[in-house]
Amino acid sequence: QSALTQPASMSGSPGQSITISCTGTSSDVGGYNHVSWYQQHPGKAPKLMIYEVSDRPSGVSNRFSGSKSGDTASLTISGLQAEDEADYYCSSYTSSATYVFGSGTKVTVL
Amino acid sequence: QVQVVQSGAEVKKPGASVMVSCQASGHTATNYYFHWVRQAPGQGLEWMGLINTYSGGQKSAQRFQGRLTVTRDTSTSTVYMELSSLTSEDTAVYYCAKDSPRGYLTTDYWGQGTVVTVSS
Repeated sequence: QSALTQPASMSGSPGQSITISCTGTSSDVGGYNHVSWYQQHPGKAPKLMIYEVSDRPSGVSNRFSGSKSGDTASLTISGLQAEDEADYYCSSYTSSATYVFGSGTKVTVL
Repeated sequence: QVQVVQSGAEVKKPGASVMVSCQASGHTATNYYFHWVRQAPGQGLEWMGLINTYSGGQKSAQRFQGRLTVTRDTSTSTVYMELSSLTSEDTAVYYCAKDSPRGYLTTDYWGQGTVVTVSS
């Protein structure tokens, strides 16, 4: 199972919006709504930001939103803030009843 | 307050095996999944496998099949991950993560990570 494809890096100024893509196949992202997004700050454990494509866990800012179209899921961060600077990973359930993470995207707040 | 605590750092020689433990406390649920995820230095997250703490049922990523064993001890709410035939490419931080009741890798609590170094 190959890693899902994400852009290696993205950047934006405070207040702007950015959208991170996560491309898989019909055997993972395209076949199931079990797509999650994680935020990871350096030296820390990942934190769940979005689950089931577009749902937010309690306590996660509504500036984070998710969507999916075909084999590609997306995470949008609106009103970019300095604290959003981190690595972001998507994940998906697969047809093998396993899971796969994306390659990761480093977000820089300019 | 739920806590997930992992065992300490390990240094192993190539060809050896390593076992990492992960103990959960502060919750009453008995039927949930634990995932194992690793991260090599400067690299991304890699899903390794999971175990259901009630049934003991497990699943692992194909690339680890035959080399990864995940077990649990219900009396101590501890899960274990054993990886055998280690090579330098297994040097990584290993995380355990408890799934929320929603399942499907919607994790709610993570361990602090265990650094495993494989070196001759």
